[in-house]
Amino acid sequence: RKEVEQDPGPFNVPEGATVAFNCTYSNSASQSFFWYRQDCRKEPKLLMSVYSSGNEDGRFTAQLNRASQYISLLIRDSKLSDSATYLCVVRVLNTGGFKTIFGAGTRLFVKA
Amino acid sequence: NAGVTQTPKFRVLKTGQSMTLLCAQDMNHEYMYWYRQDPGMGLRLIHYSVGEGTTAKGEVPDGYNVSRLKKQNFLLGLESAAPSQTSVYFCASSDRLSGNTIYFGEGSWLTVV
Repeated sequence: RKEVEQDPGPFNVPEGATVAFNCTYSNSASQSFFWYRQDCRKEPKLLMSVYSSGNEDGRFTAQLNRASQYISLLIRDSKLSDSATYLCVVRVLNTGGFKTIFGAGTRLFVKA
Repeated sequence: NAGVTQTPKFRVLKTGQSMTLLCAQDMNHEYMYWYRQDPGMGLRLIHYSVGEGTTAKGEVPDGYNVSRLKKQNFLLGLESAAPSQTSVYFCASSDRLSGNTIYFGEGSWLTVV
């Protein structure tokens, strides 16, 4: 079982739609959670951190459910420019320090 | 602000050839990383460094070597390239191992034939 699992998609949605991605993680010792965005043939970039109480950044809302070990990303009013791959990232504290684990990503296509 | 810069961007190697990927960061970060990204597998850590002169193995270190002679540079070497090393390689840095943001270079596309 992968330590961080995501639905690879692709999710095909029209402009203006609301879309949600989930990500599950297996290690209950996971400390920190993030969403990164990666455009086609580009490097990953931090989209937002995910806090226990949930957090919002404009059209993007991230939530964490520690009991069920999943995090989610909600995108409202989708734009063409939101088309990208969204990577779920989990940081685990172990004896050697922090270990950062990247999910394989969920692809989103927003169509006009 | 250049951030993280890696070279070359594209390279085709023959099996058995050697090469070095160069990475430089201008953010004075302590920590640097080399990842490879393959379809359906996410980013996998090859080697990392927590400071000048130190390196450590990541998840998939076999077939690679690294050096961190200067704080701003992190080199990834392939001594004898194999087709299984065909991948996209990303260098990255962060201000500490537990830092929230990892900054990536633009990637290096390597094909081994």
